[in-house]
Amino acid sequence: DQQVKQNSPSLSVQEGRISILNCDYTNSMFDYFLWYKKYPAEGPTFLISISSIKDKNEDGRFTVFLNKSAKHLSLHIVPSQPGDSAVYFCAALHGSSNTGKLIFGQGTTLQVKP
Amino acid sequence: DAGVTQSPTHLIKTRGQQVTLRCSPKSGHDTVSWYQQALGQGPQFIFQYYEEEERQRGNFPDRFSGHQFPNYSSELNVNALLLGDSALYLCASSLLQGEAFFGQGTRLTVV
Repeated sequence: DQQVKQNSPSLSVQEGRISILNCDYTNSMFDYFLWYKKYPAEGPTFLISISSIKDKNEDGRFTVFLNKSAKHLSLHIVPSQPGDSAVYFCAALHGSSNTGKLIFGQGTTLQVKP
Repeated sequence: DAGVTQSPTHLIKTRGQQVTLRCSPKSGHDTVSWYQQALGQGPQFIFQYYEEEERQRGNFPDRFSGHQFPNYSSELNVNALLLGDSALYLCASSLLQGEAFFGQGTRLTVV
């Protein structure tokens, strides 16, 4: 049972435009969400997170939005840069902690074209 | 700071063999978690170690076992390897309450 789903395997955007990556979850006990970025031959790198008590968190070009009623979150990258090309994973936690058992989605491969 | 280091980076094993993967956590981190990432999938949680004890376990068979040493480094052991065990194995370290940092992974191929 896939509790965290990223339904778009890939996304291609033009440099300078907005990238929107989506993630859905089924477990209402999840209370902390994270986005990781992964380049080939490297481990995932933490990008940004959001607690379930918030609906938005912003860090530079990256903003994560959380819609608890829809069990949906999204990552916005503005403006997109070629160096953002990577696989992006959405992950969830429950237990009010940002460590422990991370539940990952399948990932979305983002390609930013110059 | 070397970050999380894993060894080896690549490994080829035969079905039925046993394998040991190693992880050195980021300096100051006391918690180590292991994940399996199959091709085209997201990482799946195997287990987590804290204070040399298995603290949490995912849905993996007993063929998967681990250990944490007093210096917080960790090993993942897989017995009776199956073709389906071929994957990228990721180690993540953290403080018990803190952000998880991942190593570059060990690519295991079972033939």
